[in-house]
Amino acid sequence: AQKVTQAQTEISVVEKEDVTLDCVYETRDTTYYLFWYKQPPSGELVFLIRRNSFDEQNEISGRYSWNFQKSTSSFNFTITASQVVDSAVYFCALSEAQNNFNKFYFGSGTKLNVKP
Amino acid sequence: KAGVTQTPRYLIKTRGQQVTLSCSPISGHRSVSWYQQTPGQGLQFLFEYFSETQRNKGNFPGRFSGRQFSNSRSEMNVSTLELGDSALYLCASSQGLAGKSETQYFGPGTRLLVL
Repeated sequence: AQKVTQAQTEISVVEKEDVTLDCVYETRDTTYYLFWYKQPPSGELVFLIRRNSFDEQNEISGRYSWNFQKSTSSFNFTITASQVVDSAVYFCALSEAQNNFNKFYFGSGTKLNVKP
Repeated sequence: KAGVTQTPRYLIKTRGQQVTLSCSPISGHRSVSWYQQTPGQGLQFLFEYFSETQRNKGNFPGRFSGRQFSNSRSEMNVSTLELGDSALYLCASSQGLAGKSETQYFGPGTRLLVL
């Protein structure tokens, strides 16, 4: 079973539209961390946010906001008033923190196309 | 602070050859992780090094190996290259063990093409 599921393979929006990228995760641990990364065409993954499982407060950073809901095991990412520069592949990731040696689990990514 | 750097950025090899990729982490970061990214398999974890020791390993064959030096720089080696090894290889650094949920910062990657 997939640890992190990003069901949306590709989304296309027109500039200034709002867009939400979905992320559903699976874990039995009570302590875990969730991440979002952005991968522009250049290839480098850019860190966007890190949240721990004990902090369900939603977060807003400029045009970006994140909605963390433990009840539905989701950590969705919304871009408000999208811009062409937001075009990239976005990855959601999970890290389970209870064991000594863990691996990051990345979702398959959602490609966002923002058209002018 | 300089980011994670990877060299070379692009590489073309033929089947059967071997290749060595290099990664320099962010100054002060002691952990380096390696990932393989392909269109079909997505991002897959290869291994993580911390204080010159491999601390974590993904499900890759023994042809994939790595090491870390005392200055935290890391190298990844792939021997007997196969066509399926064509991929973007990403290096990520973190202050502590990535497996302890430290935030990882990624380099630009090395794009390897095996012919």
